[in-house]
Amino acid sequence: EPEVTQTPSHQVTQMGQEVILRCVPISNHLYFYWYRQILGQKVEFLVSFYNNEISEKSEIFDDQFSVERPDGSNFTLKIRSTKLEDSAMYFCASSEGYYYAGAWDEQFFGPGTRLTVL
Amino acid sequence: QKEVEQNSGPLSVPEGAIASLNCTYSDRGSQSFFWYRQYSGKSPELIMFIYSNGDKEDGRFTAQLNKASQYVSLLIRDSQPSDSATYLCAVNDSGGSNYKLTFGKGTLLTVNP
Repeated sequence: EPEVTQTPSHQVTQMGQEVILRCVPISNHLYFYWYRQILGQKVEFLVSFYNNEISEKSEIFDDQFSVERPDGSNFTLKIRSTKLEDSAMYFCASSEGYYYAGAWDEQFFGPGTRLTVL
Repeated sequence: QKEVEQNSGPLSVPEGAIASLNCTYSDRGSQSFFWYRQYSGKSPELIMFIYSNGDKEDGRFTAQLNKASQYVSLLIRDSQPSDSATYLCAVNDSGGSNYKLTFGKGTLLTVNP
């Protein structure tokens, strides 16, 4: 069964360093997303991406964050200068983008990257 | 601010019982509703989705939706210890931000053998 994959599974970095989190969405999916979950808190939307551009972003997704689809399979999240509060699980998700009568189809999540900022 | 509310639990049920998980949402225009299961330290795993008022059954799981009351529920019949996890309710926002899923904080379910 097709699945979303993410690398690395765990990333440790020093405050102020840049990190790139990588994702390979399900191959026939058109919409890609990043979410994060701080330990003990709810899953929070960061950004959605369609047709090679950002379609929606949250208040969390400030200028320190960027996304890119560098080739036909990878989808990346870059954090330019990490802060302690960026420590979280980062989940990539994808969906076909099927929309009917106001309802969107389901999003499938990857296993996540645990980011630890020291 | 669009909100999704769930009882955090823990909800404890004996093996073989019915577990009932509830969720309310604030965005009256939402049309897509999802239940995800999340084991500790793992990613959300889709269990069910529901778009129309009423019940939707899939094996041991039944999702119920009442848009007038802005209420979604998940019933798990014949609960198994392997069902022990946090159950996340997620709702697509309406309007221009309808790609976005807003999650509740989740209900921790424990099924006791």
